[in-house]
Amino acid sequence: SAVISQKPSRDICQRGTSLTIQCQVDSQVTMMFWYRQQPGQSLTLIATANQGSEATYESGFVIDKFPISRPNLTFSTLTVSNMSPEDSSIYLCSVEQRESYNEQFFGPGTRLTVL
Amino acid sequence: LAKTTQPISMDSYEGQEVNITCSHNNIATNDYITWYQQFPSQGPRFIIQGYKTKVTNEVASLFIPADRKSSTLSLPRVSLSDTAVYYCLVGDGVFNKFYFGSGTKLNVKP
Repeated sequence: SAVISQKPSRDICQRGTSLTIQCQVDSQVTMMFWYRQQPGQSLTLIATANQGSEATYESGFVIDKFPISRPNLTFSTLTVSNMSPEDSSIYLCSVEQRESYNEQFFGPGTRLTVL
Repeated sequence: LAKTTQPISMDSYEGQEVNITCSHNNIATNDYITWYQQFPSQGPRFIIQGYKTKVTNEVASLFIPADRKSSTLSLPRVSLSDTAVYYCLVGDGVFNKFYFGSGTKLNVKP
């Protein structure tokens, strides 16, 4: 199984600022995804991070608010832009390996608090 | 996307078998059914996945009837460490469309 790390593990930010979250995998993976999980709630898929092309966003999420990069097969970033308190949440990165079709491995998450 | 419905919470005792059912009435032909376990302050962890009939691994069984409109996760002989939230996920691995259910909080008592 893939080992996934995220940085930072948590942060407290001011309204109007931006935060970039990094996701690093210990092996090359086919698919990388970003999720949001609000306190006590389920997970919502934000976007699929595509290597070498623009991310694919789900309904309700836009690139201007959540720009995503994926420069190679082991790394991706998610930026939460112009933050407001409503963006306070846990952001999780997950990956899917070619040999584990449809099975996702999740990172530990980044807990974001916006004041 | 096929939405899912799960019980909000369940209680059990150590050593019992626990069955958690997930409804997904609008499941599509390409969709797989996957169950994840999540402990506080951790990302979800894969438990089991299936498309139809029955699947068993070292930790759980997954029962899927012929119409695939529901699925049941079966945990044999639970222990205190199985206290967690269990999510049913219906996903289309071809188009990368996934929908996590609301989750079932399982509380295992001594």
